Amino acid sequence: KQEVTQIPAALSVPEGENLVLNCSFTDSAIYNLQWFRQDPGKGLTSLLLIQSSQREQTSGRLNASLDKSSGRSTLYIAASQPGDSATYLCAGGGGGSNYKLTFGKGTLLTVNP
Amino acid sequence: DTGVSQNPRHKITKRGQNVTFRCDPISEHNRLYWYRQTLGQGPEFLTYFQNEAQLEKSRLLSDRFSAERPKGSFSTLEIQRTEQGDSAMYLCASSSKQHNEQFFGPGTRLTVL
Repeated sequence: KQEVTQIPAALSVPEGENLVLNCSFTDSAIYNLQWFRQDPGKGLTSLLLIQSSQREQTSGRLNASLDKSSGRSTLYIAASQPGDSATYLCAGGGGGSNYKLTFGKGTLLTVNP
Repeated sequence: DTGVSQNPRHKITKRGQNVTFRCDPISEHNRLYWYRQTLGQGPEFLTYFQNEAQLEKSRLLSDRFSAERPKGSFSTLEIQRTEQGDSAMYLCASSSKQHNEQFFGPGTRLTVL
């Protein structure tokens, strides 16, 4: 059974700082890993998807990496802005006929102006 | 807007009543997922459809829960005899056959009094 852990649970940084969010998973047979952003009371916005054959993906100020052997993924946010304040969730996807995502509890990020 | 839509956005009901939620996926997506999220937790998988076939159900989905996707397009999730423990955000997501990236709707927040 896949278990996903995110550390830290909360993070507060000053505007402009570069930061890293961590995600670990127990089943290295992961098919893909997806990072999401969730604003309070809202649905999830997909940020990046890394397929199991990939090592990283980049979108703007975001870079996500995947290391299946160590069971870890990181989300790097460059030059953070107050608008980046949200909960960030990572989720591991199974393969074969099982496409469900297993989520961590998220990291609550606050970027202070 | 061609994203995933969910209705209603909010539902307040009394314990013991039945409720039904609707999800309209992105039009070309053949896979549809239901998740449930409680406060401070990541979403938990409930069930998954590929076209009209329901391929997997979580043990979280008790016999009071039923989901359908009759024509392989929209889906409904019904909860019978609601309990206070059913209070949560119910999230729907969809993905295409070619890409596993899941896109989420805004969710339906259920409050059972």
